[in-house]
Amino acid sequence: KQEVTQIPAALSVPEGENLVLNCSFTDSAIYNLQWFRQDPGKGLTSLLLIQSSQREQTSGRLNASLDKSSGRSTLYIAASQPGDSATYLCAVQDSGYALNFGKGTSLLVTP
Amino acid sequence: GAVVSQHPSRVICKSGTSVKIECRSLDFQATTMFWYRQFPKQSLMLMATSNEGSKATYEQGVEKDKFLINHASLTLSTLTVTSAHPEDSSFYICSARDPKTGDFQPQHFGDGTRLSIL
Repeated sequence: KQEVTQIPAALSVPEGENLVLNCSFTDSAIYNLQWFRQDPGKGLTSLLLIQSSQREQTSGRLNASLDKSSGRSTLYIAASQPGDSATYLCAVQDSGYALNFGKGTSLLVTP
Repeated sequence: GAVVSQHPSRVICKSGTSVKIECRSLDFQATTMFWYRQFPKQSLMLMATSNEGSKATYEQGVEKDKFLINHASLTLSTLTVTSAHPEDSSFYICSARDPKTGDFQPQHFGDGTRLSIL
């Protein structure tokens, strides 16, 4: 069964810093990997999706990489802002179509 | 873009009540929908896979008689929490897959339902 782990569980940084969130998964036979943002008490906002054949995806200040063979992905956030404060979830999709989620990294960006 | 609507967004009710949550795909036909549950500070965990016109597939440890899933049309799946108890209090969220977009495209999530059982 796919296990998804996210490190760190929580992170607090001052505004303007660049930061990296880590995600690892145990079964490399994935279709894609997604990064989501979840605000407190809210649903999910899809940030980036990397297909299994891709190495990275970029959207604005966000860059996600995927190393399928080693079972790792990173989400890089450049020039962090207080509005980036949220929980970031990593999820992998395998052949069953359902997503396997990590527990998330809770990010706080202080002004 | 594709949208999934989930209703209600919040429910507060007494123990023993049955609660129905709806998940609708608004601009595509979803042959498959997924129901997840998230306890505080935990990950989203798949509860069941809902297939249009057939029985849902439940994950290990999820009671099918307690969490009734109906996917009677290509745009609607419902999750009914029967005789809910305080331990069922959680965040429930659905997602739907547009089969026309292929295996490698993202699913679309509803906004979730916060269920609180008193």
